[in-house]
Amino acid sequence: GENVEQHPSTLSVQEGDSAVIKCTYSDSASNYFPWYKQELGKGPQLIIDIRSNVGEKKDQRIAVTLNKTAKHFSLHITETQPEDSAVYFCAASFTGGGNKLTFGTGTQLKVEL
Amino acid sequence: DVKVTQSSRYLVKRTGEKVFLECVQDMDHENMFWYRQDPGLGLRLIYFSYDVKMKEKGDIPEGYSVSREKKERFSLILESASTNQTSMYLCATGLSDTQYFGPGTRLTVL
Repeated sequence: GENVEQHPSTLSVQEGDSAVIKCTYSDSASNYFPWYKQELGKGPQLIIDIRSNVGEKKDQRIAVTLNKTAKHFSLHITETQPEDSAVYFCAASFTGGGNKLTFGTGTQLKVEL
Repeated sequence: DVKVTQSSRYLVKRTGEKVFLECVQDMDHENMFWYRQDPGLGLRLIYFSYDVKMKEKGDIPEGYSVSREKKERFSLILESASTNQTSMYLCATGLSDTQYFGPGTRLTVL
């Protein structure tokens, strides 16, 4: 089955700096890659996703890049703010796989003032 | 907005008890999922369902069962709770690939 590895497990940045979280996946059939943000005491919330026919997607300060050949994808947050502090999860799935997501182990992002 | 509600935010049970965790969604989605979340392990899929009365095992189904009698409701059952089932339980609902999560139930088994 699919295996998703996520790094780093913790990340501390200064407010205004950029943050990058990286994930690799093992199953070349995977074609959907969402990112979730989980704030304290809440369930994960989808913040951005990318499909395998696209190399990059942007939404304001958040972007995701995908390298299908290397089987890795990354989340980029620019101009970080304190409210970006949360746990971020990457995930992967493939169409026809029952819409099952395989998640990475999470990254605790802390944005310091 | 998609709304996924879970019956309890916090639950404390004793070893050997039968535990029911309820999840309700209001978006008429066909797919529903149960995950458990543990530090350093991420989210792991327990069971999922893509239709009423249908269920499929996820990656860690042992010690759990599920019930889906109505489209909007998906229940997770711990037949005989054990201390290693102390965890955060997350329900999700989905349309195609995208999944939407509830707030979670933190279960402690003493």
